[in-house]
Amino acid sequence: DAGITQSPRHKVTETGTPVTLRCHQTENHRYMYWYRQDPGHGLRLIHYSYGVKDTDKGEVSDGYSVSRSKTEDFLLTLESATSSQTSVYFCAIRGGQKGDTQYFGPGTRLTVL
Amino acid sequence: SQQGEEDPQALSIQEGENATMNCSYKTSINNLQWYRQNSGRGLVHLILIRSNEREKHSGRLRVTLDTSKKSSSLLITASRAADTASYFCAATGGGADGLTFGKGTHLIIQP
Repeated sequence: DAGITQSPRHKVTETGTPVTLRCHQTENHRYMYWYRQDPGHGLRLIHYSYGVKDTDKGEVSDGYSVSRSKTEDFLLTLESATSSQTSVYFCAIRGGQKGDTQYFGPGTRLTVL
Repeated sequence: SQQGEEDPQALSIQEGENATMNCSYKTSINNLQWYRQNSGRGLVHLILIRSNEREKHSGRLRVTLDTSKKSSSLLITASRAADTASYFCAATGGGADGLTFGKGTHLIIQP
Protein backbone atom coordinates (compact mmCIF):
# COMPACT_ATOMS: atom_id res chain seq x y z
CA ASP A 1 0.00 0.00 0.00
CA ALA A 2 3.11 2.26 -0.15
CA GLY A 3 2.30 3.60 3.30
CA ILE A 4 -0.61 5.80 2.22
CA THR A 5 -3.57 6.49 4.44
CA GLN A 6 -6.58 8.68 3.81
CA SER A 7 -8.94 10.21 6.31
CA PRO A 8 -11.77 10.18 6.74
CA ARG A 9 -12.69 7.05 4.80
CA HIS A 10 -16.34 8.04 4.59
CA LYS A 11 -18.01 11.38 5.02
CA VAL A 12 -21.50 12.73 4.54
CA THR A 13 -21.89 16.48 4.52
CA GLU A 14 -24.31 19.13 3.43
CA THR A 15 -24.14 21.49 0.50
CA GLY A 16 -22.24 24.65 1.32
CA THR A 17 -20.11 23.25 4.11
CA PRO A 18 -16.32 23.13 3.92
CA VAL A 19 -14.67 19.73 3.80
CA THR A 20 -11.03 18.75 4.13
CA LEU A 21 -9.67 15.38 3.15
CA ARG A 22 -6.27 14.25 4.31
CA CYS A 23 -3.69 12.09 2.62
CA HIS A 24 -0.80 10.89 4.73
CA GLN A 25 2.29 9.04 3.56
CA THR A 26 5.12 7.61 5.60
CA GLU A 27 7.83 7.09 2.98
CA ASN A 28 8.97 10.64 2.18
CA HIS A 29 7.72 10.64 -1.42
CA ARG A 30 8.08 13.93 -3.25
CA TYR A 31 5.08 13.69 -5.58
CA MET A 32 1.51 13.39 -4.34
CA TYR A 33 -1.78 13.50 -6.24
CA TRP A 34 -5.50 13.82 -5.68
CA TYR A 35 -7.99 12.15 -8.03
CA ARG A 36 -11.72 11.72 -8.04
CA GLN A 37 -13.56 8.71 -9.41
CA ASP A 38 -17.08 8.92 -10.74
CA PRO A 39 -19.13 6.32 -12.61
CA GLY A 40 -18.51 6.57 -16.33
CA HIS A 41 -15.47 8.85 -15.96
CA GLY A 42 -12.67 6.72 -14.59
CA LEU A 43 -10.27 8.68 -12.40
CA ARG A 44 -9.57 12.34 -13.02
CA LEU A 45 -6.73 14.40 -11.63
CA ILE A 46 -7.74 17.28 -9.32
CA HIS A 47 -4.45 18.67 -8.03
CA TYR A 48 -0.93 17.48 -7.49
CA SER A 49 2.14 18.41 -5.50
CA TYR A 50 5.81 18.15 -6.41
CA GLY A 51 7.15 19.24 -3.05
CA VAL A 52 6.34 21.10 0.13
CA LYS A 53 4.31 24.18 -0.78
CA ASP A 54 4.59 23.28 -4.49
CA THR A 55 1.25 22.40 -6.02
CA ASP A 56 -0.46 22.65 -9.37
CA LYS A 57 -3.89 22.14 -10.90
CA GLY A 58 -5.12 19.07 -12.67
CA GLU A 59 -7.94 18.41 -15.07
CA VAL A 60 -10.83 19.07 -12.66
CA SER A 61 -9.52 21.57 -10.11
CA ASP A 62 -12.48 24.00 -9.98
CA GLY A 63 -13.99 24.09 -6.49
CA TYR A 64 -10.97 22.46 -4.87
CA SER A 65 -7.84 23.74 -3.19
CA VAL A 66 -4.87 21.88 -1.78
CA SER A 67 -2.08 22.45 0.67
CA ARG A 68 1.12 20.71 1.50
CA SER A 69 2.91 22.19 4.48
CA LYS A 70 4.97 19.08 5.16
CA THR A 71 6.16 16.18 3.04
CA GLU A 72 3.92 13.56 4.57
CA ASP A 73 0.56 15.34 4.33
CA PHE A 74 -1.40 16.52 1.29
CA LEU A 75 -4.75 18.10 2.08
CA LEU A 76 -7.66 18.53 -0.31
CA THR A 77 -10.25 21.16 0.62
CA LEU A 78 -13.70 21.71 -0.78
CA GLU A 79 -14.35 25.29 0.30
CA SER A 80 -18.11 25.00 -0.17
CA ALA A 81 -19.20 21.50 -1.04
CA THR A 82 -21.69 20.93 -3.83
CA SER A 83 -23.64 17.81 -4.80
CA SER A 84 -21.51 17.50 -7.93
CA GLN A 85 -18.53 16.84 -5.67
CA THR A 86 -20.08 13.63 -4.39
CA SER A 87 -17.44 11.15 -5.42
CA VAL A 88 -14.73 8.79 -4.29
CA TYR A 89 -11.44 10.59 -3.75
CA PHE A 90 -8.13 8.85 -4.12
CA CYS A 91 -4.72 10.07 -3.12
CA ALA A 92 -1.60 8.74 -4.81
CA ILE A 93 2.14 8.95 -4.45
CA ARG A 94 4.88 8.30 -6.91
CA GLY A 95 7.34 5.62 -5.97
CA GLY A 96 8.81 2.34 -7.15
CA GLN A 97 12.33 1.50 -8.23
CA LYS A 98 12.55 4.31 -10.77
CA GLY A 99 10.16 6.62 -8.96
CA ASP A 100 7.56 6.73 -11.72
CA THR A 101 4.95 4.28 -10.46
CA GLN A 102 1.82 5.74 -8.88
CA TYR A 103 0.41 3.94 -5.86
CA PHE A 104 -3.00 4.76 -4.53
CA GLY A 105 -4.48 5.13 -1.10
CA PRO A 106 -7.68 3.35 -0.04
CA GLY A 107 -9.97 6.23 -1.01
CA THR A 108 -12.50 8.49 0.72
CA ARG A 109 -16.16 8.21 -0.16
CA LEU A 110 -17.72 11.67 0.10
CA THR A 111 -21.43 12.30 -0.15
CA VAL A 112 -22.71 15.87 -0.36
CA LEU A 113 -26.43 16.14 0.36
CA SER B 1 -4.63 15.27 -22.50
CA GLN B 2 -3.04 11.87 -22.97
CA GLN B 3 -6.33 10.14 -22.32
CA GLY B 4 -6.40 6.38 -22.20
CA GLU B 5 -9.48 4.66 -23.54
CA GLU B 6 -10.06 0.96 -22.86
CA ASP B 7 -11.73 -1.47 -25.15
CA PRO B 8 -13.94 -3.38 -24.60
CA GLN B 9 -15.92 -1.68 -21.84
CA ALA B 10 -17.04 -5.07 -20.56
CA LEU B 11 -15.75 -8.59 -21.09
CA SER B 12 -17.13 -11.89 -19.82
CA ILE B 13 -15.15 -15.10 -20.30
CA GLN B 14 -14.92 -18.58 -18.84
CA GLU B 15 -12.41 -19.43 -16.16
CA GLY B 16 -9.21 -20.68 -17.70
CA GLU B 17 -9.55 -18.61 -20.86
CA ASN B 18 -7.31 -15.67 -21.71
CA ALA B 19 -8.57 -12.10 -21.42
CA THR B 20 -7.30 -9.28 -23.59
CA MET B 21 -7.99 -5.62 -22.96
CA ASN B 22 -6.89 -2.77 -25.17
CA CYS B 23 -6.07 0.84 -24.42
CA SER B 24 -5.54 3.79 -26.73
CA TYR B 25 -4.15 7.21 -25.92
CA LYS B 26 -3.89 10.49 -27.74
CA THR B 27 -0.47 12.08 -27.34
CA SER B 28 3.09 11.01 -26.68
CA ILE B 29 3.70 9.42 -23.30
CA ASN B 30 6.52 8.68 -20.92
CA ASN B 31 4.89 5.55 -19.56
CA LEU B 32 1.59 3.72 -19.32
CA GLN B 33 0.37 1.91 -16.23
CA TRP B 34 -2.32 -0.72 -15.71
CA TYR B 35 -4.40 -1.02 -12.57
CA ARG B 36 -7.00 -3.40 -11.21
CA GLN B 37 -9.92 -2.33 -9.06
CA ASN B 38 -12.24 -4.73 -7.33
CA SER B 39 -15.76 -3.50 -6.76
CA GLY B 40 -15.83 -0.76 -4.14
CA ARG B 41 -12.12 -1.05 -3.43
CA GLY B 42 -8.94 0.84 -4.19
CA LEU B 43 -6.63 0.60 -7.18
CA VAL B 44 -3.95 -2.03 -7.29
CA HIS B 45 -0.96 -1.34 -9.52
CA LEU B 46 -0.33 -4.19 -11.96
CA ILE B 47 2.40 -3.18 -14.34
CA LEU B 48 4.17 -0.16 -15.85
CA ILE B 49 5.54 -0.04 -19.36
CA ARG B 50 7.78 2.78 -20.53
CA SER B 51 7.68 4.42 -23.94
CA ASN B 52 10.91 2.72 -25.00
CA GLU B 53 9.61 -0.74 -24.12
CA ARG B 54 7.45 -2.94 -26.32
CA GLU B 55 6.46 -5.78 -24.00
CA LYS B 56 6.56 -6.64 -20.31
CA HIS B 57 5.53 -9.67 -18.34
CA SER B 58 4.54 -10.14 -14.74
CA GLY B 59 3.25 -13.56 -13.74
CA ARG B 60 0.10 -14.20 -15.79
CA LEU B 61 0.11 -10.65 -17.13
CA ARG B 62 1.54 -9.55 -20.43
CA VAL B 63 1.48 -5.92 -21.52
CA THR B 64 2.42 -4.60 -24.93
CA LEU B 65 2.92 -1.04 -26.08
CA ASP B 66 2.82 0.23 -29.66
CA THR B 67 3.78 3.89 -29.63
CA SER B 68 3.25 4.22 -33.40
CA LYS B 69 -0.41 3.28 -32.92
CA LYS B 70 -0.66 4.92 -29.50
CA SER B 71 -2.05 1.73 -28.05
CA SER B 72 -1.40 -0.84 -25.36
CA SER B 73 -2.87 -4.20 -24.51
CA LEU B 74 -3.14 -6.20 -21.31
CA LEU B 75 -3.36 -9.97 -21.57
CA ILE B 76 -4.33 -12.08 -18.58
CA THR B 77 -3.65 -15.74 -19.20
CA ALA B 78 -5.42 -18.68 -17.59
CA SER B 79 -8.02 -16.46 -15.97
CA ARG B 80 -9.38 -17.16 -12.50
CA ALA B 81 -12.55 -16.11 -10.75
CA ALA B 82 -10.43 -13.79 -8.59
CA ASP B 83 -9.48 -11.82 -11.71
CA THR B 84 -13.02 -10.46 -11.86
CA ALA B 85 -12.52 -6.70 -11.52
CA SER B 86 -12.28 -3.47 -13.48
CA TYR B 87 -9.02 -2.81 -15.26
CA PHE B 88 -7.74 0.66 -16.08
CA CYS B 89 -4.94 1.95 -18.19
CA ALA B 90 -3.39 5.29 -17.28
CA ALA B 91 -0.85 7.31 -19.22
CA THR B 92 1.53 10.07 -18.24
CA GLY B 93 3.87 12.40 -20.06
CA GLY B 94 6.40 12.26 -17.26
CA GLY B 95 7.79 14.95 -15.02
CA ALA B 96 5.36 15.82 -12.26
CA ASP B 97 2.39 14.97 -14.50
CA GLY B 98 -0.42 12.96 -13.04
CA LEU B 99 -2.02 10.02 -14.79
CA THR B 100 -4.81 10.30 -17.32
CA PHE B 101 -7.12 7.33 -16.97
CA GLY B 102 -9.45 5.58 -19.31
CA LYS B 103 -12.92 4.55 -18.20
CA GLY B 104 -11.91 0.95 -17.63
CA THR B 105 -12.79 -2.54 -18.78
CA HIS B 106 -15.06 -4.54 -16.49
CA LEU B 107 -13.89 -8.15 -16.62
CA ILE B 108 -16.10 -10.98 -15.39
CA ILE B 109 -14.71 -14.48 -15.10
CA GLN B 110 -17.43 -17.09 -15.18
CA PRO B 111 -16.68 -20.21 -13.09
